[in-house]
Amino acid sequence: DAGITQSPRHKVTETGTPVTLRCHQTENHRYMYWYRQDPGHGLRLIHYSYGVKDTDKGEVSDGYSVSRSKTEDFLLTLESATSSQTSVYFCAISENADNEQFFGPGTRLTVL
Amino acid sequence: AQSVTQLGSHVSVSEGALVLLRCNYSSSVPPYLFWYVQYPNQGLQLLLKYTSAATLVKGINGFEAEFKKSETSFHLTKPSAHMSDAAEYFCAVNMRDDKIIFGKGTRLHILP
Repeated sequence: DAGITQSPRHKVTETGTPVTLRCHQTENHRYMYWYRQDPGHGLRLIHYSYGVKDTDKGEVSDGYSVSRSKTEDFLLTLESATSSQTSVYFCAISENADNEQFFGPGTRLTVL
Repeated sequence: AQSVTQLGSHVSVSEGALVLLRCNYSSSVPPYLFWYVQYPNQGLQLLLKYTSAATLVKGINGFEAEFKKSETSFHLTKPSAHMSDAAEYFCAVNMRDDKIIFGKGTRLHILP
């Protein structure tokens, strides 16, 4: 299995608080992605990174920001969490843009 | 617009019967195509991928898929279903632009 970890695995927070989710890889892959998974919507891309300090938006980026200061870490931040951001968040990595993606175990976030 | 459509959000088959999960895509460029499987409370795991080599692709756990350009389809099949195949399956398309688009998923139920 690709070496991808996500932390925390579960988090409950209150509306309006900041939240940061971490994705860590040991594969030295160039590309990293953040998705959210919601019933009936499949996986939707939030943001992705194609290198250190190089990031771009996905289809549901509003309310989220990301940072990648090292190859191995990709952080997803909710500046002010809302109940609509309650979801399961998955990180994925890929060696290059055409290759398959490998997924982390997910983080279940509940915003009350 | 580029998209991925999975027909049927739920599919039920009897143990030992043929499994057929349908996926159609629209793309302006020759795509790379993937099938992923997700077991409960886990991340996505790659089943198989098509990258413009052989049109019939064999994957793990006895699954295979056939790329049909004329039908813009990439249906997933398995000759004989097993109880352990119960999971959610996602078709995905790489449009050669750094991102993968996922279908909304098909939950496969295996009847004893």
